[in-house]
Amino acid sequence: EIVLTQSPGTLSLSPGERATLSCRASQSVSSSYLAWYQQKPGQAPRLLIYGASSRATGIPDRFSGSGSGTDFTLTISRLEPEDFAVYYCQQYGSSSRLTFGGGTKVEIK
Amino acid sequence: EVQLVESGGGLVQPGGSLRLSCAASGFTFSSYSMNWVRQAPGKGLEWVSYISSSSSTIYYADSVKGRFTISRDNAKNSLYLQMNSLRDEDTAVYYCARADYTRLADYWGQGTLVTVSS
Repeated sequence: EIVLTQSPGTLSLSPGERATLSCRASQSVSSSYLAWYQQKPGQAPRLLIYGASSRATGIPDRFSGSGSGTDFTLTISRLEPEDFAVYYCQQYGSSSRLTFGGGTKVEIK
Repeated sequence: EVQLVESGGGLVQPGGSLRLSCAASGFTFSSYSMNWVRQAPGKGLEWVSYISSSSSTIYYADSVKGRFTISRDNAKNSLYLQMNSLRDEDTAVYYCARADYTRLADYWGQGTLVTVSS
């Protein structure tokens, strides 16, 4: 089973700043089947990025994903007030088990 | 518009059973695989189970294997999760999520809360 480790646990930033979130896998993620989700309190997760770097439908271009193998990054170029939330990475694909990272909370400084 | 609506959650005693349902609309349900994912209060996301479009392939997390059963009725556009021998640690919001051909969970329902407590 692939274990995903996200860092930092919490990121304290101000609106307009750049956010860089990390997701590290215990083994290589095949075909870059790595996704990022955003979750706000009381809401379901929303797909942001799939295939490590492709934005889902309707996701603003301030969100970008990069990486391959075992190291992946989600970048929010300029934080908007609505971006303060918890972000999860997830590996999918052919593995019988899907796994999520523990999450990174982006909070207002 | 893709819609997934979970139901069936509630309060149940340890050792009890519960059946969750997920009603799908806005897409061809029979063409998509589906997942159940849960989230304990204040915790992260945990994948629970997967079922392929034809029900030919089914997977479970180790934490629920032997206790939970996933199923679907393509004629009714519905997904189910039968949960038996419930434990305190099964307390969570349970989400159903559509999976594309790569198993990417692209659309999620709003979830239903299951509370296991005496």
